[in-house]
Amino acid sequence: QLQLVESGGGLVKPGGSLRLSCVASGFTFSDYYMNWIRQAPGKGLEWVSSFSSNRLTNYTDSVKGRFTISRDNAKNSLYLQMNSLRVEDTAVYYCARAGEIWGQGTQVTVSS
Amino acid sequence: QSALTQPPSASGSPGQSITISCTGTSSDVGSYNFVSWYQQHPGKAPKLIIYEVSKRPSGVPARFSGSKSGNTASLTVSGLQADDEAHYYCNSYAGNKNLGVFGGGTKLTVL
Repeated sequence: QLQLVESGGGLVKPGGSLRLSCVASGFTFSDYYMNWIRQAPGKGLEWVSSFSSNRLTNYTDSVKGRFTISRDNAKNSLYLQMNSLRVEDTAVYYCARAGEIWGQGTQVTVSS
Repeated sequence: QSALTQPPSASGSPGQSITISCTGTSSDVGSYNFVSWYQQHPGKAPKLIIYEVSKRPSGVPARFSGSKSGNTASLTVSGLQADDEAHYYCNSYAGNKNLGVFGGGTKLTVL
């Protein structure tokens, strides 16, 4: 069964850090382009970062220099290291295989 | 990258058809046949219902269809059902140096 399971969200103060994880199952993880997509409360979807199967990475402008995407194909895992967090980073963060398979999301709340 | 433009809301009665538009530019929707549509029910993750403009993933009813003309893509839902009430988001590829861009979403109400 194709599945993505995110973890690592939580409440953090502005300027703090979090590391999100996404574990994949049911498919050959190393073959796929993987993404982090977020949704702020009551808002639409925003593509945050991507990591291709040939190890190219990309970030939306608002997180460049603060977030780092990585993957460990041996562990079927995708990560998002988030530093210097801002209030506006508050959102549900989804892991997605390209755009077709999505996890259930993990909540990140940045508040003092 | 600017967001794609969708109407904030749409509505229809059971059995009717509705169409939701998604307007981009010549840099995204107009240049690539990589437009996707997602359905999102409250508190749930988005679900892919249309990819590559008009293709449906396995398990998605044929009542959902997609099309594109110029810089505007469209999602048509025919034979509206109560469970179709949800938010719908479009997305387009925008070149290999971009992550792709989403529309702002359309809330579909089944009257």
